[in-house]
Amino acid sequence: DTGVSQDPRHKITKRGQNVTFRCDPISEHNRLYWYRQTLGQGPEFLTYFQNEAQLEKSRLLSDRFSAERPKGSFSTLEIQRTEQGDSAMYLCASSLPDRGSDTQYFGPGTRLTVL
Amino acid sequence: AQSVTQPDIHITVSEGASLELRCNYSYGATPYLFWYVQSPGQGLQLLLKYFSGDTLVQGIKGFEAEFKRSQSSFNLRKPSVHWSDAAEYFCAVGAHGGGADGLTFGKGTHLIIQP
Repeated sequence: DTGVSQDPRHKITKRGQNVTFRCDPISEHNRLYWYRQTLGQGPEFLTYFQNEAQLEKSRLLSDRFSAERPKGSFSTLEIQRTEQGDSAMYLCASSLPDRGSDTQYFGPGTRLTVL
Repeated sequence: AQSVTQPDIHITVSEGASLELRCNYSYGATPYLFWYVQSPGQGLQLLLKYFSGDTLVQGIKGFEAEFKRSQSSFNLRKPSVHWSDAAEYFCAVGAHGGGADGLTFGKGTHLIIQP
């Protein structure tokens, strides 16, 4: 059982550019979550999917952020017109709820640096 | 609104000594509690979780945590730390069934191990 994978692991971009990150969940996990972690802080919840449906997106940080999970498997997180304040670690997690419990397993993250 | 407080930003412990990391939470319903560990530049690894039942839960790497509802606490303990335990530790709270609110994390405790 492979874990959650994220690509790329590191991304350096210039202010104003668009970036896209990919997350591949643990196979058969039907829930997928995105979080942002800034330096010295815990992860902050952004959005989540159950299968291909995005059931919560009000916590996305601005309308520059969007996420998709088109076939209910991998997901992408896009940031348009990046700003220096977007520099952070972007973490993905997946889960398969079981009898009311929902344990999230995290990937290694994508470190974004906006110059 | 749910919240997690980890009062200690840094803790230094000698190798072989015992460890206790504090976590207090605020949650309107029965909480679902987690401890994760993060090594530098890495994602989060699940150490243990409390869902229901026995309030003393065992995790990986010799860690345990005790849920105390009256004190709204979920402190992490280890009887004898190893140098490899040096990392960032995060406590998190979530809803039963997971989903729309994601997990709410504390700011983390940085564990330093002295030889």
